[in-house]
Amino acid sequence: AQSVTQPDIHITVSEGASLELRCNYSYGATPYLFWYVQSPGQGLQLLLKYFSGDTLVQGIKGFEAEFKRSQSSFNLRKPSVHWSDAAEYFCAGATGGGNKLTFGTGTQLKVEL
Amino acid sequence: EAGVAQSPRYKIIEKRQSVAFWCNPISGHATLYWYQQILGQGPKLLIQFQNNGVVDDSQLPKDRFSAERLKGVDSTLKIQPAKLEDSAVYLCASSLDMNAYFGYTFGSGTRLTVV
Repeated sequence: AQSVTQPDIHITVSEGASLELRCNYSYGATPYLFWYVQSPGQGLQLLLKYFSGDTLVQGIKGFEAEFKRSQSSFNLRKPSVHWSDAAEYFCAGATGGGNKLTFGTGTQLKVEL
Repeated sequence: EAGVAQSPRYKIIEKRQSVAFWCNPISGHATLYWYQQILGQGPKLLIQFQNNGVVDDSQLPKDRFSAERLKGVDSTLKIQPAKLEDSAVYLCASSLDMNAYFGYTFGSGTRLTVV
């Protein structure tokens, strides 16, 4: 079955430290992949997306993600975390050309000052 | 551009009561989605509309949930009767067309608590 897995439920980092959130996918072909962020009481905001081409994708708020076919991963990174980045992060996938997003279970990020 | 509007923001009801949620997508977006997000889980697709037609409702518990998108614009999701396990955030999203390439825009959601 097509799925997206986020192995880390909670992650805590210090402000200014680097961040990597993990995402693994299981699709028959190269999927479309997305990272969303959700602040408390808010909807989902798109950080970045990958469809094809360059495997390193730049997004908003200083985030980037790298698509690695050999590892079936699409990890989200940020070189220096700000306190305002504390939120829940969701990885999502869709079949190439498809339209239904399948979400992971999310990673809750806490930022220590 | 205005975002996806949802109302109400919060709703508390007793089990076996009915409830309805409303969504107004971005103007011109043909595709509309309703997702259910239970606490601690990722959003799960309930139903997808293309204009005023249902494309996929395979995950919608049709014995209690119903949804419509009359005139292909606004949409309403109804639960009748509600169960405790329906407590969740209900997210509406819209997209220009039926391809994830166009991206989704999500509303802020309606948080439902069933007591």
